Amino acid sequence: AQSVSQHNHHVILSEAASLELGCNYSYGGTVNLFWYVQYPGQHLQLLLKYFSGDPLVKGIKGFEAEFIKSKFSFNLRKPSVQWSDTAEYFCAVNGRDGGATNKLIFGTGTLLAVQP
Amino acid sequence: AAGVIQSPRHLIKEKRETATLKCYPIPRHDTVYWYQQGPGQDPQFLISFYEKMQSDKGSIPDRFSAQQFSDYHSELNMSSLELGDSALYFCASSIRQGSSSYEQYFGPGTRLTVT
Repeated sequence: AQSVSQHNHHVILSEAASLELGCNYSYGGTVNLFWYVQYPGQHLQLLLKYFSGDPLVKGIKGFEAEFIKSKFSFNLRKPSVQWSDTAEYFCAVNGRDGGATNKLIFGTGTLLAVQP
Repeated sequence: AAGVIQSPRHLIKEKRETATLKCYPIPRHDTVYWYQQGPGQDPQFLISFYEKMQSDKGSIPDRFSAQQFSDYHSELNMSSLELGDSALYFCASSIRQGSSSYEQYFGPGTRLTVT
């Protein structure tokens, strides 16, 4: 079955600390991987995406993620978090099988709280 | 840049009532997706449309129906509302063009509260 798991449900960090959020997926076939951020009361915004090529992808706001195919992982990282990074982070996957649908399968989300 | 528009942004309904949610995709986008996000949960795929035809169906109750119109906007119709339908309903759009097909842009959502 297709699924995405995020290991950390709640993370609390101090400003300037480094961040790594884990994401593992189970999906038959070639995948596209995404990280979305949802600030309080707002909609989902795309942080970064991986389709193919360099497994280390850089996104907005200093975030990056590394696709490790052998581990079925796509962990999100940021070297130094800010208070404004307080939000919920969702890992998501869809397939590159050329099918009729590209529905996203989301992980359960990680709530990040950054303390000033 | 133009974004996905959803209306209304907030909706309060009573049990057994009906509701209609609207989604206007980004101009030139031909594919629309609907997701439901319950309190404290991840978004769950409901249904999608490509060129006005249903392209995939997820965990959408039979009480719900949706369609995509000739101008590509979509409407999600919900009948016999239940308390458990209270959620944030997101619409996303994409354009079926190479790798862009895989990337979805989300609207601000409609927060439905059923009392």
